[in-house]
Amino acid sequence: AQSVTQPDIHITVSEGASLELRCNYSYGATPYLFWYVQSPGQGLQLLLKYFSGDTLVQGIKGFEAEFKRSQSSFNLRKPSVHWSDAAEYFCAVSQNNDMRFGAGTRLTVKP
Amino acid sequence: DTEVTQTPKHLVMGMTNKKSLKCEQHMGHRAMYWYKQKAKKPPELMFVYSYEKLSINESVPSRFSPECPNSSLLNLHLHALQPEDSALYLCASSQIRTSGNTGELFFGEGSRLTVL
Repeated sequence: AQSVTQPDIHITVSEGASLELRCNYSYGATPYLFWYVQSPGQGLQLLLKYFSGDTLVQGIKGFEAEFKRSQSSFNLRKPSVHWSDAAEYFCAVSQNNDMRFGAGTRLTVKP
Repeated sequence: DTEVTQTPKHLVMGMTNKKSLKCEQHMGHRAMYWYKQKAKKPPELMFVYSYEKLSINESVPSRFSPECPNSSLLNLHLHALQPEDSALYLCASSQIRTSGNTGELFFGEGSRLTVL
């Protein structure tokens, strides 16, 4: 069955520390891959996407993600977290017209 | 213009009411989506329209009725809802790429529905 897994429900990091959020997928072929961020009461904002080509993709707000086919992973990274990065992060996969989301990882940033 | 506009932002309705949620985009996108999101949960796909035709219906109860009157508009008609239908309803749109797959979704801010 097709699935998207975000193993970490909640992560806390200190401001200025590095961040990695994990995402794994199980699909028959490589789907399109995305990371979205959602602040409380808001819609979802696209951070970055992977369709094909270079497996390291750069996004907005200093985020990047690396697609690893052998591990079926698309982990999100940021070298130095800012307090404003505190939010819910969703990994998403799309095949045909169907986009599905992982359960989300809530990021808390300590001062 | 990269916006998806949803109205109303907040809606309170009784279980016998009929109401509608509206969504509009002017990005020329030909795929439009409704998602339902409960608190602290990911968005759940409800409906997908491609080229104004319903292409995905995720076994949503018939008290939710989608409508795509043209390529810019998407409605969700609500009737005889239950309190457990209270949630944030998100509309999104995307291009349909030459491969037939959709690109990234652009989301509206959502309509927060409370059913009493």
